[in-house]
Order: sequence, then structure tokens, then C-alpha cells
Amino acid sequence: QVQLQESGPGLVKPSETLSLTCAVSGYSISSGYYWGWIRQPPGKGLEWIGSIYHSGSTYYNPSLKSRVTISVDTSKNQFSLKLSSVTAADTAVYYCARLSSSGCFDYWGQGTLVTVSS
Amino acid sequence: EIVLTQSPATLSLSPGERATLSCRASQSVSSYLAWYQQKPGQAPRLLIYDASNRATGIPARFSGSGSGTDFTLTISSLEPEDFAVYYCQQRSNSFTFGPGTKVDIK
Repeated sequence: QVQLQESGPGLVKPSETLSLTCAVSGYSISSGYYWGWIRQPPGKGLEWIGSIYHSGSTYYNPSLKSRVTISVDTSKNQFSLKLSSVTAADTAVYYCARLSSSGCFDYWGQGTLVTVSS
Repeated sequence: EIVLTQSPATLSLSPGERATLSCRASQSVSSYLAWYQQKPGQAPRLLIYDASNRATGIPARFSGSGSGTDFTLTISSLEPEDFAVYYCQQRSNSFTFGPGTKVDIK
């Protein structure tokens, strides 16, 4: 059974960089699939942030591209998100997920709330 | 960017009733549309992919239809555990989600 678990600081100051990691178990990232990050502001809808392949190939939401970096560490079977210059608008629950071959997200982490506040 | 619009915003129904949820795309997404269910405090759960294919373990009361710009998620007979928010998502051009439809108990 594929399982994903997000980890990282729950509070980030404005203008700083948000950093999260997603640990994957039950499946080796090196075996394939894209892996991604999605976020959900409190009480609002879902927004795709970006995705990465085990080779390191990435693609990002154009609206966030200038601030986002997603990387992968196959030796630790995990991938990471960095979002720079955060503001209160970046406060959200951040999910990591597996992107299936059908272009949908079939396995999700439980999500982690990140609050941007001084 | 492809914009997805969902209607209605809220659907108030009783257990046992049929639920029909709509998702409309601003331009054709072919059949590249998925549906998710989300309950409070939980991650979304994949229900339907490629417009009409049920994901693993999803009950047969959930069905999806449509292509191009108009899609429908139907729950044939609502069970108590089906009251939740439902999102559609396209993958034709990048990835975007609809704003959601909340199915609540009447």
C-alpha cells in the first residue's frame, strides 16, 4: 500500500521560504510515476503546485513557477517542496500526492497546515 | 488556463436520493477529467478518472460521464458516508481543480 507523509514547519514568517518534505513508503519513487504537491487554503479549493519525476524532471503551476522548487531524493524515497517569498496568501494545508498515469492524483498524504505569520 | 466550474455549489439531499453533480470546462479537456471526494479534515479521495472510470475500491453507486466540456458525477443512492465535498480536476492542460460541490444532508 502506497503511503505518503508530509513533514515540515507549521509556521513560516512572511518573506521567508516554506520547506516541506514528503516521505513515500510502500513504493519506490525510482520505479516511476510523477509525484506532486497540491495545496488548499482554509475553507477553499485545491490548487496544484507542481510535480516531479524520479529523474528530476519538473513542471510547475505557471502562477507559482517563479517561487517554487521541487526536488527528489531517491535514496531516501522522498521529495521536497520549497516556496519562496511567502505571504499570508500561502497559508494552506499542503498535500503531497502520486500522479497516476491517467493524470489524476491517486494516493495522497494526510496534509500539513502551514501558516504564514510573523 | 482551463477553468472548471461546478454546479450547484451546494446540493441538499436525503440518504437514498440520487445526486447529480456538474463540472464544466472553459475549453475541451477531452475525457481527461477526474472526480474526488473530500471529507472534513481528510485528504481528497480519487473516485473517477478519465471521466467515467471508477478508481480502485470505489462503490458502483458512483458513476461519471461526459466528454469535451461537460461532465457529470452521479451518486445513484446516497449513503450517509457520501455527504462531503466533491471536486473535479482536469489534466488536459496543466492541472486545475473546480471549486467544489458540497453535498449535505437535507
